[in-house]
Amino acid sequence: DIQMTQSPSSLSASVGDRVTITCRASQSIDSYLNWYQQKPGKAPNLLIYAASSLQTGVPSRFSGSGSGTDFTLTISSLQPEDFATYYCQQRGTFGQGTKLEI
Amino acid sequence: EVQLVESGGGLVQPGGSLRLSCTASGFTFSNYWVSWVRQPPGKGLEWVAQIKQDGSEKYYVGSVRGRFTISRDNAKNSLYLQMNSLRAEDTAMYYCASEETGTRFVYWGQGTLVTVSS
Repeated sequence: DIQMTQSPSSLSASVGDRVTITCRASQSIDSYLNWYQQKPGKAPNLLIYAASSLQTGVPSRFSGSGSGTDFTLTISSLQPEDFATYYCQQRGTFGQGTKLEI
Repeated sequence: EVQLVESGGGLVQPGGSLRLSCTASGFTFSNYWVSWVRQPPGKGLEWVAQIKQDGSEKYYVGSVRGRFTISRDNAKNSLYLQMNSLRAEDTAMYYCASEETGTRFVYWGQGTLVTVSS
């Protein structure tokens, strides 16, 4: 089974900061990598699919990059509503999550 | 508006059974693979099971294989998860989610909570 490892597991940042979260696959997954945002008490929300494609309706400050085994999610300028937990996902495997805190 | 609404969760004793349902609206349910994804309290997401559009292919995470059964009724726009031999570690919020190309989960329900405890 492919393992997905996210880092860091938690991150403190401020409004306006640029933030990067990484996800590493245990073997090559081409560009089959998706990113989700989850807020407390809510279902996850798809942000990025196929490593770098922005899901409809998601603000352009979110971007994704990478292929093979190494991927990144970048938030260019943090907004108050971005403080949440972020997950990468490849088929039936999710990363362990990154909690983004103020 | 696309909606997925789960139901059927609750408190059950270890070894017991529960059947979850998910009713879809606002899109052509029969055109999509759909999955169950769960999240234990305070923990991360875990994919549980997946079913093809016509129900001909089903896949499960190893920890539930042989205990859980995923099914669907396209005439009723509904997805089901029959859970037998439940264990404490099955305690979680269970979400249904529709998939698009690349196993990306675009639409999610609000979840239904399953608690396995004596």
